[in-house]
Amino acid sequence: KAGVTQTPRYLIKTRGQQVTLSCSPISGHRSVSWYQQTPGQGLQFLFEYFSETQRNKGNFPGRFSGRQFSNSRSEMNVSTLELGDSALYLCASSEDGNSGNTIYFGEGSWLTVV
Amino acid sequence: DQQVKQNSPSLSVQEGRISILNCDYTNSMFDYFLWYKKYPAEGPTFLISISSIKDKNEDGRFTVFLNKSAKHLSLHIVPSQPGDSAVYFCAARGDYGQNFVFGPGTRLSVLP
Repeated sequence: KAGVTQTPRYLIKTRGQQVTLSCSPISGHRSVSWYQQTPGQGLQFLFEYFSETQRNKGNFPGRFSGRQFSNSRSEMNVSTLELGDSALYLCASSEDGNSGNTIYFGEGSWLTVV
Repeated sequence: DQQVKQNSPSLSVQEGRISILNCDYTNSMFDYFLWYKKYPAEGPTFLISISSIKDKNEDGRFTVFLNKSAKHLSLHIVPSQPGDSAVYFCAARGDYGQNFVFGPGTRLSVLP
């Protein structure tokens, strides 16, 4: 089974621009979560999608948004980029988000805002 | 308010010895716990899980212990190998549909 695939792996954007990151979950997984990791920080939860619906949301501003498609693929968007948005963005998938389900991460998308 | 804490930012261990990584949580509703290993510039790799109905789970060199009354879990790696040098995160979740909460991580260095 292929793992979680994230694209692009690396990107550089200018302050004020917007960015879209893509995530393809493991085949058969219906839950997709997004996390942000900044240098020296742990993984901060952004949001989770299940069956095309946002089920949970972390404490991030409205500039951060996401969506999930019928094939469970997900995208996240960050608008009006700020320097502090430079981070590793990680996508994780699980079968159905049940408490006993493990989540599996992709390699991440490294975003640098200049 | 950190619900999942890893109070040791770093740990150094000699190759062949035991590594013990600790994790404490505050939310008594958490009932499923995971450990991940992360190398720089890579995504976290799942290591081992434990649910609250157990107090121990083993997988090869990795063993996780859960003490529900103390709200504490630990990951034991025996024997430690240089390739185990990485940042280790613990994560916890409560009921169905809730997101995992991650600790800040502990950087393990296994010295040859």
